[in-house]
Amino acid sequence: GAGVSQSPRYKVAKRGQDVALRCDPISGHVSLFWYQQALGQGPEFLTYFQNEAQLDKSGLPSDRFFAERPEGSVSTLKIQRTQQEDSAVYLCASSLAGTSSGYEQYFGPGTRLTVT
Amino acid sequence: AQKVTQAQTEISVVEKEDVTLDCVYETRDTTYYLFWYKQPPSGELVFLIRRNSFDEQNEISGRYSWNFQKSTSSFNFTITASQVVDSAVYFCALFPVYGQNFVFGPGTRLSVLP
Repeated sequence: GAGVSQSPRYKVAKRGQDVALRCDPISGHVSLFWYQQALGQGPEFLTYFQNEAQLDKSGLPSDRFFAERPEGSVSTLKIQRTQQEDSAVYLCASSLAGTSSGYEQYFGPGTRLTVT
Repeated sequence: AQKVTQAQTEISVVEKEDVTLDCVYETRDTTYYLFWYKQPPSGELVFLIRRNSFDEQNEISGRYSWNFQKSTSSFNFTITASQVVDSAVYFCALFPVYGQNFVFGPGTRLSVLP
């Protein structure tokens, strides 16, 4: 079966541009997560959805970051007015059930964003 | 506060050697899960193992084994008879059950030389 897919795989944006990153989770997975991974670091949590509800957005670094999952499947992470410090790999993960189950999360290949 | 520390930044071993990756965590929660993930050069995080805080039984799964010591808050991971394909960055992660997200360590880059 298909895993988590993300597009684009690579994105170069000029400072100040808006970008949209897409995540297609594994079919049937209820939970969807976004992480930011800076070079040489571990992933850091951004936000979490259960179905279409965004239950936690405490990790979003600023109000320039916005995520949605309108139909409880595909999700989009949008970054407005990109800054150089936004350069990172953005990872999406999905999980079969709610977070309290402790189910492993299945990760996509990530989108590498470079802001010039 | 939740925190995961992986003191080893990089490790190099020769193929067929055993290698242990260290992980120390901090949490005030009594119920949590611990994970190990592997990130090969392709970038995708691959799930390896999971342990919950009530199960300190150490197990072996193929060439992988782990040592969970709640008393020292450590969750070390061992690869036996390492292979070149094991070369990757390995992340230890903490998942508090009453939280909502993973806390990852900084990762350990493992290079297995032929």
